[in-house]
Amino acid sequence: QKEVEQDPGPLSVPEGAIVSLNCTYSNSAFQYFMWYRQYSRKGPELLMYTYSSGNKEDGRFTAQVDKSSKYISLFIRDSQPSDSATYLCAVNYGGATNKLIFGTGTLLAVQP
Amino acid sequence: SQTIHQWPATLVQPVGSPLSLECTVEGTSNPNLYWYRQAAGRGLQLLFYSVGIGQISSEVPQNLSASRPQDRQFILSSKKLLLSDSGFYLCAWAKVAYEQYFGPGTRLTVT
Repeated sequence: QKEVEQDPGPLSVPEGAIVSLNCTYSNSAFQYFMWYRQYSRKGPELLMYTYSSGNKEDGRFTAQVDKSSKYISLFIRDSQPSDSATYLCAVNYGGATNKLIFGTGTLLAVQP
Repeated sequence: SQTIHQWPATLVQPVGSPLSLECTVEGTSNPNLYWYRQAAGRGLQLLFYSVGIGQISSEVPQNLSASRPQDRQFILSSKKLLLSDSGFYLCAWAKVAYEQYFGPGTRLTVT
């Protein structure tokens, strides 16, 4: 079983739609949960990270962690064509551990 | 503000040739530094990380090596490239592991 699973998509939505991107993870010991956005042929860009359970909002983006079901989500409101990219989730044990474990990414296309 | 540079941006090398990729960070001191590889359709695989000058931790056994000769410089090397070394190589820096910032990447094609 992979430590982090993510549907590769592609996910195609019309402009203005609410987008839901999701990952599941296997180890309840993970403490930090990250979302990265990666445009084609570019390095990933950190959107936000969440510690433990709960929600975190930044503009049109909301990250949500449900530790009871080992499920993490990223919601994008009022999606724009510029949001078209691959979205990667990542997890970390916290403490002194340095390793991020990434999902394989979901390709999102927002159609104008 | 902090900036991370990688070069070259693209590289085409024959099998068996050596490799040297360089990463430098500006605007911070004593960062954690990371090398990742991203293969097509796959997630990021951590190759090496460093918490200080001369300190290298290897995550995956392979024919690659890493060095950190200066505080903000991280180098990925190979003596003899394999076809399987092709991929997108990303360097990242962080003060804490859960907040990593990536460079623009180097696309390596081994022919």
